[in-house]
Amino acid sequence: NAGVTQTPKFRVLKTGQSMTLLCAQDMNHEYMYWYRQDPGMGLRLIHYSVGEGTTAKGEVPDGYNVSRLKKQNFLLGLESAAPSQTSVYFCAVGRAGERYNEQFFGPGTRLTVL
Amino acid sequence: AQSVTQLGSHVSVSEGALVLLRCNYSSSVPPYLFWYVQYPNQGLQLLLKYTSAATLVKGINGFEAEFKKSETSFHLTKPSAHMSDAAEYFCAVRDTGRRALTFGSGTRLQVQP
Repeated sequence: NAGVTQTPKFRVLKTGQSMTLLCAQDMNHEYMYWYRQDPGMGLRLIHYSVGEGTTAKGEVPDGYNVSRLKKQNFLLGLESAAPSQTSVYFCAVGRAGERYNEQFFGPGTRLTVL
Repeated sequence: AQSVTQLGSHVSVSEGALVLLRCNYSSSVPPYLFWYVQYPNQGLQLLLKYTSAATLVKGINGFEAEFKKSETSFHLTKPSAHMSDAAEYFCAVRDTGRRALTFGSGTRLQVQP
C-alpha cells in the first residue's frame, strides 16, 4: 500500500524543454491536486481534479497543463520550462463527499530549470 | 475567499520548552483548519484538523491546537519541545470554492539542545 507516489523525484531541465510529472495513488480517492512549494510562499495550488476526465485551474496554472485519464493517475505537464518553474512539486489526494477536504501528500518532485 | 496567515517564518526554542506556532485565519464561512508538518526532504504529514466538533484539537506527537473564533486563531502548541520536532509547519484552511486547501507561508521550527 504505497499511498501517493510521484515520479520522478528529481529532475533538471533546460529552459524550453518539456516534461511530465506523474502522480499515482492506490487510495481510491476521487480528488487529486498539484501544488508547488517555494520558499516563504507555502504551497500554491496549480491544478486539481475532482474525478476521472475532469480538471480545473488553481491559483497558479499558467505554464502548466494536466490530465486525469485514469482515476489513479494525475499528470502535470510543462510544455516549455522556464526558470520561474524551479520549485518542489507536490501531489495530493482527497476523498469526495468529505466536508473538510483532508488531503494526503506525496513525497514531492524537486525540479530545477536552468 | 479563505486565507491563513502564519506569524513568524522562523521560531527557535530550547529542548523541553513550550512550542507556540501562530496561525490566524480569514473566512466568510465556518472554517475547516489544518496543521501539517514537513520534515526535511519529505512530503506533508497531517498533524491535526479542526472540523467544528471540538475547539481544542489533539494531534499526533503531542501537538494540540485551539480554535478561537473571537480571535480568528488556530495556534499550534506543544508543552515540551523535542529535537525531533524540528521541521516546517504549515497552517491551512479549506478553500470551499475549489475543494482544495489554502496554505500559510509556513513556520520553520528550530529546537536547540
